Amino acid sequence: GAVVSQHPSWVICKSGTSVKIECRSLDFQATTMFWYRQFPKQSLMLMATSNEGSKATYEQGVEKDKFLINHASLTLSTLTVTSAHPEDSSFYICSAGSQELEQYFGPGTRLTVT
Amino acid sequence: GQNIDQPTEMTATEGAIVQINCTYQTSGFNGLFWYQQHAGEAPTFLSYNVLDGLEEKGRFSSFLSRSKGYSYLLLKELQMKDSASYLCAVRDSNYQLIWGAGTKLIIKP
Repeated sequence: GAVVSQHPSWVICKSGTSVKIECRSLDFQATTMFWYRQFPKQSLMLMATSNEGSKATYEQGVEKDKFLINHASLTLSTLTVTSAHPEDSSFYICSAGSQELEQYFGPGTRLTVT
Repeated sequence: GQNIDQPTEMTATEGAIVQINCTYQTSGFNGLFWYQQHAGEAPTFLSYNVLDGLEEKGRFSSFLSRSKGYSYLLLKELQMKDSASYLCAVRDSNYQLIWGAGTKLIIKP
């Protein structure tokens, strides 16, 4: 199957700083990438849909000014958590796919804000 | 609204068979997916059903009935490594994935 990578796999940052997470599709071109957040023992929550070359579509309740998404190429999307706070600590997962493919998930990034 | 229902937790014995059910009400239907997620890891794809019937893949099988809004994932010859959460997801008419909350499967020796 297709491979999606994420970097970093884990990060610890201080409250008030910003963190950038990269999501790459390694062996296929992903016109659409998805960003999820998952709190412990809870299901995946879709944050936003990222389309190459256009603005991301955010789910209701997700602050677009806090979670900046850039999808500049067909193989790379980035999520920047700006002015992070402890409540932003979570497991962030990206996935890539198209209407014809199932979604392939990256390995996830565990963010801890102290 | 759109809704995916699956049991919160199930327990089974190593070597046995377990069936995890999923019922859905969505705006349109463009396929149903099952994913496996081990604790602390991202989900991995297990199966995809878009037509009614049973899809078999090794020890795992997935069934779909579109008229009933129902699917199940069948795991045979359970192994300890099958202990994980199993996520049911439906792709709606907008090709957006609607996720169930997941079923935590506990395998006992």
